[in-house]
Amino acid sequence: SQKIEQNSEALNIQEGKTATLTCNYTNYSPAYLQWYRQDPGRGPVFLLLIRENEKEKRKERLKVTFDTTLKQSLFHITASQPADSATYLCALLKTGTASKLTFGTGTRLQVTL
Amino acid sequence: GAGVSQTPSNKVTEKGKYVELRCDPISGHTALYWYRQSLGQGPEFLIYFQGTGAADDSGLPNDRFFAVRPEGSVSTLKIQRTERGDSAVYLCASSLRASGISNTGELFFGEGSRLTVL
Repeated sequence: SQKIEQNSEALNIQEGKTATLTCNYTNYSPAYLQWYRQDPGRGPVFLLLIRENEKEKRKERLKVTFDTTLKQSLFHITASQPADSATYLCALLKTGTASKLTFGTGTRLQVTL
Repeated sequence: GAGVSQTPSNKVTEKGKYVELRCDPISGHTALYWYRQSLGQGPEFLIYFQGTGAADDSGLPNDRFFAVRPEGSVSTLKIQRTERGDSAVYLCASSLRASGISNTGELFFGEGSRLTVL
């Protein structure tokens, strides 16, 4: 069966460190993968997209990698701040399907002082 | 409006009642999506509209769920004979064009409608 797996346990890190979140998928051939941020009681907010033929994408303190052999994406936040504390969701669009983004369960990040 | 607007933000109803949830997408966005999110889970796809038509309704759990978008803008998600298991946050999202391999398909989400069925 098709699965998108994100670590369900919260990730706790100290301010200033790099946070790394993982998204693994099975039985998918994604055309691209997106990362979203979700704060409690709010809707998800788009952060980054990476296509299947791209290895890495950066935006300010954010970096996403995509390894289609390992079927894994890593999401990095460098120089993390308490304001980065939120749940981070990965979402995949399957090759050959239109418009149906499938989300992982999300990983909660807590950045402490 | 500036963003995707959803009403009501909270709805408490009794088992067996009928519920309507409304979504007002970003002006000019042709694609509209409904997702459902249960506590501790990621958003689960329900239905997608391109313009007025439902292009993909494969995520609707059963025939108690129905959605419309008669003029290609505002959409209403309708749930008949609500059950306790329908309790969740219902998220609406819109995008300029449909997601696809030729464009980013960034989704703009509303804040959601929290439905509680007692």
